[in-house]
Amino acid sequence: GDSVTQMEGPVTLSEEAFLTINCTYTATGYPSLFWYVQYPGEGLQLLLKATKADDKGSNKGFEATYRKETTSFHLEKGSVQVSDSAVYFCALSDTNNAGNMLTFGGGTRLMVKP
Amino acid sequence: DSGVTQTPKHLITATGQRVTLRCSPRSGDLSVYWYQQSLDQGLQFLIQYYNGEERAKGNILERFSAQQFPDLHSELNLSSLELGDSALYFCASSVGTGVNEKLFFGSGTQLSVL
Repeated sequence: GDSVTQMEGPVTLSEEAFLTINCTYTATGYPSLFWYVQYPGEGLQLLLKATKADDKGSNKGFEATYRKETTSFHLEKGSVQVSDSAVYFCALSDTNNAGNMLTFGGGTRLMVKP
Repeated sequence: DSGVTQTPKHLITATGQRVTLRCSPRSGDLSVYWYQQSLDQGLQFLIQYYNGEERAKGNILERFSAQQFPDLHSELNLSSLELGDSALYFCASSVGTGVNEKLFFGSGTQLSVL
């Protein structure tokens, strides 16, 4: 079956530091890949997505590139802010599934200190 | 605000009881998804409905059931509750069922089984 593996957190960074959160996946079909973010007390929000190999998703300074050869979709940001503190989830949606549900990784908590 | 409304926000009950969680999707969205978030299992997909019909089923226990009504709201029924059912239950919605669909999540219902 499908699965998503993320680096475990928490990740603690100082403001303006560079961020990388690793994500790898296994899928039986041709997945679309997503990063969702969860702020305290809220539901998940889509951060960015990529729908085919070599696509780069970007939003709010975050980027991730769909790497089919390494089955990876690592999240990066050049300069984090305190307001980026949240839990980040990597996810996929697979063409081989009956529905289009998302399969999520375990989540990575990011804490940014001023 | 995602536009997805979940009620109640918090629910405290005892083992063996039955509860109903309610979800109103975003206006115009036909697909509804239920997820369970717990510390040990992470985010687990339970079930998806599309326009009133079951679309896909995930790791949903037989004690749990769901339905989507003609007005597109959905209910998740949990019965014979056990301590291990304590979790945050999210509802999400999307327009359709494509693999690239953006899911909009509600803020969740926190269920505590004592």
